[in-house]
Amino acid sequence: DIQMTQSPSPLSASVGDTVTITCRASQSISSFLNWYQQIPGKAPKLLIYSASNLQSGVPSRFSGSGSGTDFTLTISSLQPEDFATYFCQQSYRNPYTFGQGTKLDI
Amino acid sequence: QVQLVQSESELRKTGASVQLSCKASGYTFNTYPMTWVRQAPGQGLEWVGWINTNTGKPVYAQGFTGRFVFSLDTSLSTAYLQIASLKAEDTAVYYCARVEGFLTGYHRFDYWGQGTLVTASS
Repeated sequence: DIQMTQSPSPLSASVGDTVTITCRASQSISSFLNWYQQIPGKAPKLLIYSASNLQSGVPSRFSGSGSGTDFTLTISSLQPEDFATYFCQQSYRNPYTFGQGTKLDI
Repeated sequence: QVQLVQSESELRKTGASVQLSCKASGYTFNTYPMTWVRQAPGQGLEWVGWINTNTGKPVYAQGFTGRFVFSLDTSLSTAYLQIASLKAEDTAVYYCARVEGFLTGYHRFDYWGQGTLVTASS
């Protein structure tokens, strides 16, 4: 299985900050990388797909980059509703594994 | 608008079986595969597998073969997950989600159900 490792975890920040979350794959996954946001008690929400494509309806302060094994999710000008847990997921090969999650808190 | 509505929470004894449902609306059901993802209490996300809603062909992640079975009722636009011989470690929230990007190969889970909590206890 392809292992996905996120850092840091947890991550503390303040409203207005810019933060970056990193996801590393145990082997090259090209750009088959998605990012999800999960608020406690809610289902995950797709933010970024194919490493850098913003899902429809997601604010432009979210951005993704990377290819191969190293990927980043950047959130600019943090808003109160952004404090949540973020997961990366590879869709390169079955099983579609997720990172362990990065909890972003104040 | 696209919606996935899942069945209510289930409490079962270990060794029993349970069937979860996921009813889709707002799109043509058999044009997007459906996937299932598990989240144990306080833990991360674990991919269970997916089912091609056009052909009915399932794909299971390792560790989810045998006791986990996907099925469909396309007339009801509903996907099902049956779990047999429940174990305490199956206790989790189970999410269904629509799979976008099937034709391009860039699969992502773009719409999610609200989740069904399954509790397995002796």
